[in-house]
Amino acid sequence: GAGVSQSPRYKVTKRGQDVALRCDPISGHVSLYWYRQALGQGPEFLTYFNYEAQQDKSGLPNDRFSAERPEGSISTLTIQRTEQRDSAMYRCASGKLAGTYNEQFFGPGTRLTVL
Amino acid sequence: GQNIDQPTEMTATEGAIVQINCTYQTSGFNGLFWYQQHAGEAPTFLSYNVLDGLEEKGRFSSFLSRSKGYSYLLLKELQMKDSASYLCAVVDTGGFKTIFGAGTRLFVKA
Repeated sequence: GAGVSQSPRYKVTKRGQDVALRCDPISGHVSLYWYRQALGQGPEFLTYFNYEAQQDKSGLPNDRFSAERPEGSISTLTIQRTEQRDSAMYRCASGKLAGTYNEQFFGPGTRLTVL
Repeated sequence: GQNIDQPTEMTATEGAIVQINCTYQTSGFNGLFWYQQHAGEAPTFLSYNVLDGLEEKGRFSSFLSRSKGYSYLLLKELQMKDSASYLCAVVDTGGFKTIFGAGTRLFVKA
């Protein structure tokens, strides 16, 4: 079956522009996570959704970052007024369940480059 | 604070056994995951431990000691395709936030 998909796969933007990154989770998956991963590092937690409810956004670095999942399926991570330090791989993951034991299925990521 | 420590790199020989250690200090604990990540690819699930002890799954086993804040991943009968990064991740209190370590790059040589 289809896995988690993300679009675009690569995004190059100029400093100061807004970007929107899309995540399509596995159909029927309740949980959705956003991560940022620097080269040679593990994923860094950004935010978590249970259906459409954003239950943890403690990892969002600042108020330029926001995420939504309005219908409990597709999610968008938006970065406003991008800065060079925002350049990274952004990954989303979905899980069948909500709560503690939740194997996360990761998407291929969006490589964001801010010039 | 939240801290997960793993060795940066390890090298092992095809057919051998390797143990990758992970120690953690987190404000809460709701389980520990191990993920495998090949270069340029997404992480994939290997194992989950929430109770102390050993979980075995084919060539892979994972151990947890909650009192020591310690886990290890054991890979047996190493194959070249096992060359990858291995990520230790702790689920924080509440069951949502997952904190990943930096990963251990394993090189398997012939």
